[in-house]
Amino acid sequence: DAGVIQSPRHEVTEMGQEVTLRCKPISGHNSLFWYRQTMMRGLELLIYFNNNVPIDDSGMPEDRFSAKMPNASFSTLKIQPSEPRDSAVYFCASSTFPVDSPLHFGNGTRLTVT
Amino acid sequence: AQTVTQSQPEMSVQEAETVTLSCTYDTSENNYYLFWYKQPPSRQMILVIRQEAYKQQNATENRFSVNFQKAAKSFSLKISDSQLGDTAMYFCAFMKRNTGNQFYFGTGTSLTVIP
Repeated sequence: DAGVIQSPRHEVTEMGQEVTLRCKPISGHNSLFWYRQTMMRGLELLIYFNNNVPIDDSGMPEDRFSAKMPNASFSTLKIQPSEPRDSAVYFCASSTFPVDSPLHFGNGTRLTVT
Repeated sequence: AQTVTQSQPEMSVQEAETVTLSCTYDTSENNYYLFWYKQPPSRQMILVIRQEAYKQQNATENRFSVNFQKAAKSFSLKISDSQLGDTAMYFCAFMKRNTGNQFYFGTGTSLTVIP
């Protein structure tokens, strides 16, 4: 079990640039979650997918954020254009549904927008 | 909406001593899970322990145990024989069952184990 794999581990970009964060969930998991972690707001759920379908994206802060899950083994979170206030750690997590299971987190991507 | 409250932003404990982290939650649900996650400086979120709401027996995992008080909506974590490696942020989390596994996290407690 390789766990949830996120890339890159760190990303530094300039304001206005496009940023793409990537996630590979645990094989066999059919739920995928994107979280954002900041000191001020803690862990915020941005969006989650069940069976590759977005179920709830109410946490996505604005239209600059978009997420896709083209297949069961890959998801992206894109920010375009990026802003300094987007600086945070972005976590991807996966689990199984409807079988109750805890979230398994990736190591996160630390995004810095200058 | 579910809310999870951790009222202790920071705590410290001497190595080998016992410490208890508090968590309360608010829900109208009757069927749910509760979790404690640990986030060390490495940033990874690690599951420490889980509790099913329908079980009266408190969960234990080695040095980690919980005190689950369903009526009071309280879910505290006790760490016995604290070790330096226990230094981390600890997050309490609530999950409704059969709802797409929606998780709600508290704001975290930063625990420092002092040698």
